[in-house]
Amino acid sequence: KAGVTQTPRYLIKTRGQQVTLSCSPISGHRSVSWYQQTPGQGLQFLFEYFSETQRNKGNFPGRFSGRQFSNSRSEMNVSTLELGDSALYLCASSLGPAEHYEQYFGPGTRLTVT
Amino acid sequence: AQTVTQSQPEMSVQEAETVTLSCTYDTSENNYYLFWYKQPPSRQMILVIRQEAYKQQNATENRFSVNFQKAAKSFSLKISDSQLGDTAMYFCAFMKAYSQGAQKLVFGQGTRLTINP
Repeated sequence: KAGVTQTPRYLIKTRGQQVTLSCSPISGHRSVSWYQQTPGQGLQFLFEYFSETQRNKGNFPGRFSGRQFSNSRSEMNVSTLELGDSALYLCASSLGPAEHYEQYFGPGTRLTVT
Repeated sequence: AQTVTQSQPEMSVQEAETVTLSCTYDTSENNYYLFWYKQPPSRQMILVIRQEAYKQQNATENRFSVNFQKAAKSFSLKISDSQLGDTAMYFCAFMKAYSQGAQKLVFGQGTRLTINP
């Protein structure tokens, strides 16, 4: 079974631009979570989607948004990029129901904001 | 809010030795899950082992085992017969068991483990 895939793997953007990252979960997984990893703040939870509904949200500004499609694929969008948004963005998927909580991660998208 | 603390920023051992990574957490919840993830230089986050808080028995996965002390809020990882491929950043993580299944991992700052030949 194929793992979690994320596209693109690397991205360079300019301050003020917006960016969209994509995540395809493991087949059959209905929950997708997003995390930001930086050297200073470590790994921080952004949001989680299940069956196209945001089920949980982290403490990030409104510039960070996401959505999930009917095929469970998810996108996250960051508008008005700031230098501090440079990070590794990790997506994780799980089956979704409460008893199926193990999250499996994709390889990440490395975003650099200049 | 839950917090996870890994007090050892870096550790280094010789191949074949046993190493223990420490993790403590703070929560008022009674139902939760604990995890250890491994992140090698490739940056791919790999699930190593998990523990349900309601289970008293410590989880084991081949060379990896945990020492879960619920009252002390401690969750350490023991790697036996360490191998060069175990070299990685190790993260301890906490997940509250939401009744409706919502998921959110709270991570510690990580321990950089180096296995020397």
